[in-house]
Amino acid sequence: AQSVTQPDIHITVSEGASLELRCNYSYGATPYLFWYVQSPGQGLQLLLKYFSGDTLVQGIKGFEAEFKRSQSSFNLRKPSVHWSDAAEYFCAVGGLGNNNDMRFGAGTRLTVKP
Amino acid sequence: GAVVSQHPSWVICKSGTSVKIECRSLDFQATTMFWYRQFPKQSLMLMATSNEGSKATYEQGVEKDKFLINHASLTLSTLTVTSAHPEDSSFYICSARDTSSGKGELFFGEGSRLTVL
Repeated sequence: AQSVTQPDIHITVSEGASLELRCNYSYGATPYLFWYVQSPGQGLQLLLKYFSGDTLVQGIKGFEAEFKRSQSSFNLRKPSVHWSDAAEYFCAVGGLGNNNDMRFGAGTRLTVKP
Repeated sequence: GAVVSQHPSWVICKSGTSVKIECRSLDFQATTMFWYRQFPKQSLMLMATSNEGSKATYEQGVEKDKFLINHASLTLSTLTVTSAHPEDSSFYICSARDTSSGKGELFFGEGSRLTVL
């Protein structure tokens, strides 16, 4: 069964500092991986996705993620965090194919210090 | 990407009443839609898979008589919370599968926040 683990419940970084949010997955076949961001009271916004090909994926808002099959990881990175990046971040696996729903990690809450 | 719309965005109801939430795929047909539930400060939990023209498939622990799902057309799925109680207060999010691109990618609605008084 597919599953996603986000080891960090809450991360605090200073504005301008670099960011890495961790995501590990368990999946029986080629994984389709996603990162979403959610602001309080809002829906999900897709940051980036990985289906195949280049393992370094560029997304919106300056985010990128790298798929590492050997580590079963898909960590999200940003070189310089802005105060507006404070939100909840979800990693998800699956979501493609006729019988494939999407499973979410528990989420990582990002706080940005001035 | 494809657009999925949910209505209403916010709903407040009295305990014991029923509430219907709609999920529409605006620019594509979706034979499969999914309903998720999100409690405050928690992740999204899959409730059920909605298939057009057939009965929904519910995840373990989700009461099918409590959460009625109807997927009567290729662009609309509805979730009805019957005899709602305060513990049903939550954020409900739907997603729809767009198979036109070949990947069958999921697109999410904006979510519907239910508050039961």
